[in-house]
Amino acid sequence: DIQMTQSPSTLSASVGDSVTITCRASQSISSWLAWYQQEPGKAPKLLIYKASILESGVPSRFSGSGSGTEFTLTISSLQPDDFATYFCQQYNSYIFTFGPGTKVDIK
Amino acid sequence: QVQLQESGPGLVKPSETLSLTCTVSGDSISGYYWSWFRQPPGKGLEWVAYIHYTGSTNFNPSLKSRLTISVDTSKNQLSLQLISVTAADTAVYYCARLVAVAGHYPGNVDYWGQGTLVTVSS
Repeated sequence: DIQMTQSPSTLSASVGDSVTITCRASQSISSWLAWYQQEPGKAPKLLIYKASILESGVPSRFSGSGSGTEFTLTISSLQPDDFATYFCQQYNSYIFTFGPGTKVDIK
Repeated sequence: QVQLQESGPGLVKPSETLSLTCTVSGDSISGYYWSWFRQPPGKGLEWVAYIHYTGSTNFNPSLKSRLTISVDTSKNQLSLQLISVTAADTAVYYCARLVAVAGHYPGNVDYWGQGTLVTVSS
């Protein structure tokens, strides 16, 4: 199975900050990577798919990049709604796997 | 607007069978892949299985021997059965719709259900 890692596990930031989360795959997944945001007690929400394509309706302050084994999610100017947990997920193989998550909290 | 709603018992005894149904509204179940995911309390997301509306399936290898999933296109529903449950199966279970990649491979989720907490306890 393809293993996914994320760093950092927790990130403390302030409103207006720019933050970057990194996701790494144990082998190449091309660009078959999605990013999801999850608020406490809620279902995940799709932000980015195919590594860099913004899902319709998602604010443009979210952006994704990368290919192969290393990917990043950047939030350019944190807003109060952005304090949440972020997961990456690969769908290159028929066995889907997720990163362990990055919690973005208020500094 | 596509909506998915999970339903089923919130409490299951150890060694018994966990059974969940997901009802899809706002679009037909036909033409898509559908998936189950789960999330133990306070932990990360785990893919459980997916099924194409035609019935083809794929399972998480760690759960495969205990899993059955199916679709009922007449009811616009998908279902999950997990046998011989233990406390390790306690989780919020989500059903979800998958985007088709390159026209026919299962891809990322675009719609999620709200999730249902299943607790395994005597």
